[in-house]
Amino acid sequence: DIQMTQSPSTLSASVGDRITITCRASQPISTWLAWYQQKPGKAPKLLIYKASTLESGVPSRFSGSGSGTEFTLTISSLQPDDFATYYCQEFNTYTFGQGTSLDIK
Amino acid sequence: QVQLQESGPGLVKPSETLSLTCTVSGGPIRGYYWNWIRQPPGKGLEWIGSVYYRGNSNNNPSLKSRVTLSVDTSKDQFSLKLTSVTPADTAMYFCARDTGDNGLDSWGPGIVVTVSA
Repeated sequence: DIQMTQSPSTLSASVGDRITITCRASQPISTWLAWYQQKPGKAPKLLIYKASTLESGVPSRFSGSGSGTEFTLTISSLQPDDFATYYCQEFNTYTFGQGTSLDIK
Repeated sequence: QVQLQESGPGLVKPSETLSLTCTVSGGPIRGYYWNWIRQPPGKGLEWIGSVYYRGNSNNNPSLKSRVTLSVDTSKDQFSLKLTSVTPADTAMYFCARDTGDNGLDSWGPGIVVTVSA
């Protein structure tokens, strides 16, 4: 089984901050990785696929990078709508990371 | 724009079978993999399995042989059956489309299923 480890588990930040969330795979997964945003009671929303491709309609302040075992999601300037939980998912065995809760400082 | 909608019972008794259906509208069911994901209350996302429109499927090994996935292209629906449920199977269940490009791009709103006597 592939394990996906996200860090940090929680992150407090302010509007306008630049933040980075990391996802590490227990074995190489090329660029087979997606990032999602989820708000309470709602379905996840795809932000990034193939590790670095921005999904249509997603603001350009979101970006993804990485390959192999280490991946990052960066939000360049936090907006009020960005406070949510973020998950990575690998597409070898479809395992999700445990999530990163981003809240307002 | 494709839309997905889960349907099924919101309450299932322990040891019985949970059965859910996802209806696809606004886009083709053919050509894609269709997924089920669940989220226990207050916890993270767990992938359950995926089924291709032609019927071949693969499941999360942690659920062993309890999962059966199927597709009905004539109705633009795909389904999940989870046998021998316990309270640990209580969760929000989502259906979602796999783009084939390493991302689940369209999701249903989710359906809450509670396992309780």
